[in-house]
Amino acid sequence: KNQVEQSPQSLIILEGKNCTLQCNYTVSPFSNLRWYKQDTGRGPVSLTIMTFSENTKSNGRYTATLDADTKQSSLHITASQLSDSASYICVVSKQTGANNLFFGTGTRLTVIP
Amino acid sequence: DTEVTQTPKHLVMGMTNKKSLKCEQHMGHRAMYWYKQKAKKPPELMFVYSYEKLSINESVPSRFSPECPNSSLLNLHLHALQPEDSALYLCASSQLGTRVDTQYFGPGTRLTVL
Repeated sequence: KNQVEQSPQSLIILEGKNCTLQCNYTVSPFSNLRWYKQDTGRGPVSLTIMTFSENTKSNGRYTATLDADTKQSSLHITASQLSDSASYICVVSKQTGANNLFFGTGTRLTVIP
Repeated sequence: DTEVTQTPKHLVMGMTNKKSLKCEQHMGHRAMYWYKQKAKKPPELMFVYSYEKLSINESVPSRFSPECPNSSLLNLHLHALQPEDSALYLCASSQLGTRVDTQYFGPGTRLTVL
C-alpha cells in the first residue's frame, strides 16, 4: 500500500532554534519526493524536490535529505523564524500516471518568540 | 508567470445555491487539478484534467461538476452542497510530459456551506 507518514504531528520551537521533520514512505515505484510549506488557509508552496539520485537539496534555511534505500526523508530548518510557523507536508510521487501523488498528513510547526 | 490564481478567496453559500470556483494559470501547463482539504488534513484529490480532458474523477459526488473551458482555465461548479462540503478547495497545475512533474498550487478558496 502506498503511504506517506510524517513525524512529529506537531512541534513547538523557540525562534532561532533548528528543527528536523521526518517523512517515511512506502510509495513504489518511486519518482520523486517534495516538501511543501502550507500556511493556514493557503495553498501549499513547494520548498524542495528530490529524485531518486539526489540525497540532499537546500533552499535557503531549508535542507531536505533523501535516503531512497530506507525510504526516508527529512526536512531541516535552520535558525527558525516566526514566519516558519506552518504545516510542512511531504509528498511522494509514483513514476506513472497523472494521479500519482501521495500526501503525508503534515507536521504542524509553531515557532514562538 | 509562475502563479496559479483562484477566485473567490472566500465563499459562503446555502445548500440550495449554485456557485462556481475559478482557477487560472498561464504557465502553459497541460494538467490541472482540484483538491479538497479539510482542516488539519492533507489535500484530497477530486479531479484531474489532462490536455483539457477529464482524466480522473475520484468518485466525487455529482453536486461537484468540473469544467475546463481551455488549457488555462478550470472551473468547479457547485450545486446543492451539504455543510460537510465546507473546506478549502485547492487548484493546482503541472506541465506533464516531464521526468519530474511538479504541481503548483493556488491559494485556495475557503468554502462555507450553511
